[in-house]
Amino acid sequence: EVQLVQSGAEMKKPGESLKISCKGSGYRFTSHWIGWVRQMPGKGLELMGIIYPGDSDTRYSPSFQGQVTISAGKSISTAYLQWSSLKASDTAMYYCARWDSGDSGYFNFWGQGTLVTVSS
Amino acid sequence: DIVMTQSPDSLAVSLGERATINCKSSQSVLYSSNNKNYLAWYQQRPGQPPKLLIYWASTRESGVPDRFSGSGSGTDFTLTISSLQAEDVAVYYCQQHYGTPHTFGQGTKLEIK
Repeated sequence: EVQLVQSGAEMKKPGESLKISCKGSGYRFTSHWIGWVRQMPGKGLELMGIIYPGDSDTRYSPSFQGQVTISAGKSISTAYLQWSSLKASDTAMYYCARWDSGDSGYFNFWGQGTLVTVSS
Repeated sequence: DIVMTQSPDSLAVSLGERATINCKSSQSVLYSSNNKNYLAWYQQRPGQPPKLLIYWASTRESGVPDRFSGSGSGTDFTLTISSLQAEDVAVYYCQQHYGTPHTFGQGTKLEIK
């Protein structure tokens, strides 16, 4: 059974750093692109970027380039999303999701989400 | 970026009736070499992550009830729920998976009338 299990909710202060994770199981982790999707409170879905764990090829959506870092540890089947200096506007639910095979581009499995709250 | 625009923003339909959600892309998402439309639909129930319903504009994901169907080509697409059930209350999103970044529509909130 394919599963993506994300790390738990986080409460941080502005300016702090953060790294959240997404562990894949039940499939060959290195063979499927993983994406990170932001959902701000009461708002829609925004794709932040994608990574191919097999070779760490990473593509960022323009709005998120330079704002976050996406990485992966293929030996432990885990993808990461990190911030060096959080802002209150980073408060959101963050989902990881897996592409179907090849270059399909649609997400057929999703993590449960990680709620990040940034407040002084 | 390809802009995806859904209509309406919200919709109230009676149980057992048909629900129709539209999605328009700012440029064609039809890939001529394989004649596939790179358009997906997702359902997000309250407090849940999104769930894939439809891909390639009209292919139903495994396990999705057949009351859900997708149609359209090029720039105009439709998600239809043939007979609304209570568990279909959700926000529905279209996503183009043709050009990077793969953008989502703003969402359509579906409620029971």
